[in-house]
Amino acid sequence: TQLLEQSPQFLSIQEGENLTVYCNSSSVFSSLQWYRQEPGEGPVLLVTVVTGGEVKKLKRLTFQFGDARKDSSLHITAAQPGDTGLYLCAGFDLYNFNKFYFGSGTKLNVKP
Amino acid sequence: NAGVTQTPKFRILKIGQSMTLQCAQDMNHNYMYWYRQDPGMGLKLIYYSVGAGITDKGEVPNGYNVSRSTTEDFPLRLELAAPSQTSVYFCASTGQGYGYTFGSGTRLTVV
Repeated sequence: TQLLEQSPQFLSIQEGENLTVYCNSSSVFSSLQWYRQEPGEGPVLLVTVVTGGEVKKLKRLTFQFGDARKDSSLHITAAQPGDTGLYLCAGFDLYNFNKFYFGSGTKLNVKP
Repeated sequence: NAGVTQTPKFRILKIGQSMTLQCAQDMNHNYMYWYRQDPGMGLKLIYYSVGAGITDKGEVPNGYNVSRSTTEDFPLRLELAAPSQTSVYFCASTGQGYGYTFGSGTRLTVV
């Protein structure tokens, strides 16, 4: 059973377009992280959201944590080829030995 | 640079061989994890440790073993390699639960 569902699985868009990636769960998490992974590398942490309803911005990326802390979204404005990669969300369960549960990922391709 | 160091980066094993994947971190993190990532997929937790001397199974522990004798090191052992263990293995650590630091991975092929 996948604890975190990400959608869409694949996304191919043109440079300059906007996009949103979703991360949904039936479980409540203490915090949620978003990572980007490039081929041949380990995931790199982009942001951590902790409070329900929290919104964080990282340049053209906007992250939101759902009010109930069960879901999150990542919105990219004016996507660029450098945004290409695998985006992973991870929910942190404070009450279960500090384990992170990863979604299956969204593979984004931004064409020039 | 501080971080998580994994060795080797690449390895080819024959079916039935054994090997140890090394992982070391210099951030004094208590929590360490081993994940595997199959092509185009997310990460699956193999084993984790909440401190020296304490380890526990994750989602996919069969065929693997771990030990945690020090805070810094968390090796992953494959005893009898099988083709199903062909994957990329990532080690990660965290101190306060506010995000992992990942190693650069070990790409393992079992033939």
